[in-house]
Amino acid sequence: SQTIHQWPATLVQPVGSPLSLECTVEGTSNPNLYWYRQAAGRGLQLLFYSVGIGQISSEVPQNLSASRPQDRQFILSSKKLLLSDSGFYLCAFRGPTSTDTQYFGPGTRLTVL
Amino acid sequence: AQKVTQAQTEISVVEKEDVTLDCVYETRDTTYYLFWYKQPPSGELVFLIRRNSFDEQNEISGRYSWNFQKSTSSFNFTITASQVVDSAVYFCALMTTSGTYKYIFGTGTRLKVLA
Repeated sequence: SQTIHQWPATLVQPVGSPLSLECTVEGTSNPNLYWYRQAAGRGLQLLFYSVGIGQISSEVPQNLSASRPQDRQFILSSKKLLLSDSGFYLCAFRGPTSTDTQYFGPGTRLTVL
Repeated sequence: AQKVTQAQTEISVVEKEDVTLDCVYETRDTTYYLFWYKQPPSGELVFLIRRNSFDEQNEISGRYSWNFQKSTSSFNFTITASQVVDSAVYFCALMTTSGTYKYIFGTGTRLKVLA
């Protein structure tokens, strides 16, 4: 079966510190991968998506970046966190077929102080 | 332009009441998919249902039912005999088969079911 993992589950970081969130998928090959952010009480904002290794598309210019070093691994990074980076970060995957459904990971709750 | 509108920001009902969550979408594509997700307090988005644009049949799954009407570009979700465990934020989403197959999410409806 297909599963998606995210870690850490929660993170408290000071302003200006680096960030690395990891997402891995099991049970599928060549998935489409997504990073979303959800501010408190708000909707979902698509940050990045990837259709293959090394292929990253950015939706919102900001101090975040994403990388896909392996087929089923998606990493969200920042060199220097801002207060506005606080939020709930969700990774999602969809199978390679165009009609596949998108499934979400458990999320990482990031607080920047 | 593609857009999903969930006009109801928050709904409160008493347990056992029926409740309908509205979703209106906009797209010029003829082939598209519509989805509903549930986000309980734990935060993870749980997939509930997917419909494609060529299938307007309503669907029922236990206490959940979905009404898809292309004529009004709506994909509404009804919970019958609501329960406290139904309390969550519900998101409607649209995916078209043109472009990059990205999902367009509505802003969500927070449902509170009171005991």
